[in-house]
Amino acid sequence: AQSVTQLGSHVSVSEGALVLLRCNYSSSVPPYLFWYVQYPNQGLQLLLKYTTGATLVKGINGFEAEFKKSETSFHLTKPSAHMSDAAEYFCAVSRYSGAGSYQLTFGKGTKLSVIP
Amino acid sequence: EAGVTQSPTHLIKTRGQQVTLRCSPISGHTSVYWYQQALGLGLQFLLWYDEGEERNRGNFPPRFSGRQFPNYSSELNVNALLLGDSALYLCASSLSGQGANIQYFGAGTRLSVL
Repeated sequence: AQSVTQLGSHVSVSEGALVLLRCNYSSSVPPYLFWYVQYPNQGLQLLLKYTTGATLVKGINGFEAEFKKSETSFHLTKPSAHMSDAAEYFCAVSRYSGAGSYQLTFGKGTKLSVIP
Repeated sequence: EAGVTQSPTHLIKTRGQQVTLRCSPISGHTSVYWYQQALGLGLQFLLWYDEGEERNRGNFPPRFSGRQFPNYSSELNVNALLLGDSALYLCASSLSGQGANIQYFGAGTRLSVL
């Protein structure tokens, strides 16, 4: 079964420091990979996605992620954290579930705190 | 262009009652997904509707059901509510149920069961 593991349910960084949120997936075939962000009392917003091609994907708000097939990882990074980045981040994998359908499986999320 | 809209935003029910949540997808989107986000459990896939048909279902009991209307809006019904059903229910829509298509989420309906 497809699974998504996000290491660290809570991550704290200082403002201006590097943000690194880890995501590993299990898949027997190359998956479609996504990162979403959820601000308090809101739904999920797409940050970036990987389908095929270039393994380094750039998203909104200065975030990027690199697909590493050999490590089955899709870690999210941002060079310099802003206070506005404080939110919960979800990694997700799209897998084929038969009969032409796909299912999005989410990790449990990582709550990012930014310290002034 | 309007995003995914959900109603109501908040709901309080008691055990044993029934509830209906509503979702309007982005114009042009035919697929609607429902997720449950309970505290500490992350997002759990509930149901996927496309072109009016239920295409896939998560690991939830039959008291969770729904439908999709000809205008692609959708309802989620939960019968015989339990305390454990308290959660944020998120609806998402996409162009179709293809793996690379982005799902766009609404702000959710927060259900509290007392």
